[in-house]
Amino acid sequence: DAKTTQPPSMDCAEGRAANLPCNHSTISGNEYVYWYRQIHSQGPQYIIHGLKNNETNEMASLIITEDRKSSTLILPHATLRDTAVYYCIVRPMNSGGYQKVTFGTGTKLQVIP
Amino acid sequence: KAGVTQTPRYLIKTRGQQVTLSCSPISGHRSVSWYQQTPGQGLQFLFEYFSETQRNKGNFPGRFSGRQFSNSRSEMNVSTLELGDSALYLCASSLDAGVYGYTFGSGTRLTVV
Repeated sequence: DAKTTQPPSMDCAEGRAANLPCNHSTISGNEYVYWYRQIHSQGPQYIIHGLKNNETNEMASLIITEDRKSSTLILPHATLRDTAVYYCIVRPMNSGGYQKVTFGTGTKLQVIP
Repeated sequence: KAGVTQTPRYLIKTRGQQVTLSCSPISGHRSVSWYQQTPGQGLQFLFEYFSETQRNKGNFPGRFSGRQFSNSRSEMNVSTLELGDSALYLCASSLDAGVYGYTFGSGTRLTVV
């Protein structure tokens, strides 16, 4: 798996957009970017994934740079419940690959009232 | 629909003992993977099973083993427990080896004394 680099921690004011960056400069052409988050004492929760186009779902938006070497997860209106550790991972979107998934250390997002 | 169920939630064992943890995936999910999470090492991949076959394995000693049954339920076993095995053990299931994201259980908190 390609490695990812994330800042260890970030703060965000409640109601503001939280922008979480991820660097994946060694990403391969067939690798997708996935984001998960883990709220304290729970299992990680899938948020979103993408290849090269920007993606949006009910939880978040994913912006991937044109060279695909970095991406940003955007929580448009952060709430206190968004306080969690956010993990950015890359892996092939190939069900035959069964690649082991490396989560890294993630970014601890603290949403401040 | 029911989520990923892990049992037991909490477990205390003594050094040298062995332990078996259980994971019931979401109905219809055939891929099950296991992770170990500790404060120092973060989330580390243990192994992944699909249709009763181990497809991938992380860098853990042979004391860590697993299996998957025909109904996709999975167990992991740790023999000769060491203090360092104290961790949160997470199970995740997916339809297709995580291509569209994994769903995690709440984990089993193992304490070795």
